[in-house]
Amino acid sequence: EVQLVESGGGLIQPGGSLRLSCAASGFTVSSNYMNWVRQAPGKGLEWVSVIYSDGTTYYTDSVKGRFTISRDNSKNTLYLQMNSLRAEDTAVYYCTRQLTGDPSGSWGQGTVVTVSS
Amino acid sequence: DIQMTQSPSTLSASIGDRVTITCRASQSISSWLAWYQQKPGKAPKLLIYKASFLESGVPSRFSGSGSGTEFTLTISSLQPDDFATYYCQQYNSYSQTFGQGTKVEIK
Repeated sequence: EVQLVESGGGLIQPGGSLRLSCAASGFTVSSNYMNWVRQAPGKGLEWVSVIYSDGTTYYTDSVKGRFTISRDNSKNTLYLQMNSLRAEDTAVYYCTRQLTGDPSGSWGQGTVVTVSS
Repeated sequence: DIQMTQSPSTLSASIGDRVTITCRASQSISSWLAWYQQKPGKAPKLLIYKASFLESGVPSRFSGSGSGTEFTLTISSLQPDDFATYYCQQYNSYSQTFGQGTKVEIK
């Protein structure tokens, strides 16, 4: 059974850093496209970043230069390093698994990031 | 970036109603369109992929159609479990964008 479990969220001051983790089971992270998608309170879904099986990464414009997506194959875990956090980064962050040519079919339960002083 | 526009933003309907939600892309995305259902406090659930293919386990009252820039999600007979927010998503490019969502409420 495919399972994704996010962790690492919390309350952080503006300008601070957090690293989110997404532990995967039932499949191999490095063989799939893996995404981070976020949802601000009361708002819609926003794609944040993707890492392809070949290691290529992409980011939405608002996080370029501040966020870094990565994976640890030995731990079968996806990460999102978030630096220079802003109030507008406050959201629930979901990791998703995306098979090649398909949309995100598997989602984690989400982890809450709150950026506030 | 490709923009996705959903309509309506909110929809009030009764049990048994036929419901249609529309999604328009700012440029052609062929059939690279997905529909998700989200309930409060839960992660989105994939309903439809490649515009018209039903995800495994999704009831057949859900259907999708369209290609290019115009897409629809139809619920043939609304059930109590269907009151939720629905999002379209294009995955034509690495920068996957979502529509703003359509909340289906009880009339």
